[in-house]
Amino acid sequence: DIQMTQSPSSLSVSIGDTVTITCRASQSISRYLNWYQHKPGKAPKLLIYSASTLHSGVPSRFSGSGSGTDFTLTISSLQPEDCATYYCQQSYSPYSFGQGTKVEIK
Amino acid sequence: EVQLVQSGAEVKKPGDSLKISCKGFGYSFPNYWIGWVRQMPGKGLEWMGMIYVGESEIRYSPSFQGQVTISADESISTAYLQWSSLKASDSAMYYCARRRNPFGELSLDFWGQGTLVTVSS
Repeated sequence: DIQMTQSPSSLSVSIGDTVTITCRASQSISRYLNWYQHKPGKAPKLLIYSASTLHSGVPSRFSGSGSGTDFTLTISSLQPEDCATYYCQQSYSPYSFGQGTKVEIK
Repeated sequence: EVQLVQSGAEVKKPGDSLKISCKGFGYSFPNYWIGWVRQMPGKGLEWMGMIYVGESEIRYSPSFQGQVTISADESISTAYLQWSSLKASDSAMYYCARRRNPFGELSLDFWGQGTLVTVSS
């Protein structure tokens, strides 16, 4: 099975900061990588699919990059509503998630 | 508007059977895959499996193969996740979600609100 490793597991940042979350796959997954935002008590939301394509309605401060085994989610100018846990998911097979990165406000 | 509405919270005893549901609105339900995702208390998301409703094609994560059964009834736009004999370790929040692109990359664009399953003696 393909293992997905996210780092860091948590981070504390200030409003307006740029946040970078990385996701590493245990083998090449081309660009079959998605990013989700999950807030407590809510359903997860798709942010980015195919490594860098912004899902409809997602603010442009979210962006994704990478291919092969190394991927990045960037949140530029963090807003209060961006406090959440972020998960990467490989859609190569059989669709495992990373362990999550919790983003908190300082 | 696309919506997935899941059945309500369940409290069960070990050994009980259970079937939870996920009803789709606002799109052609048979033409999409529905996936199931588990979140155990304090833990991350885990992919369980998915069903292509119109053809009843089912794919399970190896971790969940044999542990749960995924099914669907396209006539009522509903997908199901069921257990024949629950364990305490099945206690979790379960989400259903629609695969955005039925035949391309797998991303999940619409999610249900989640069903909390509690298994306790």
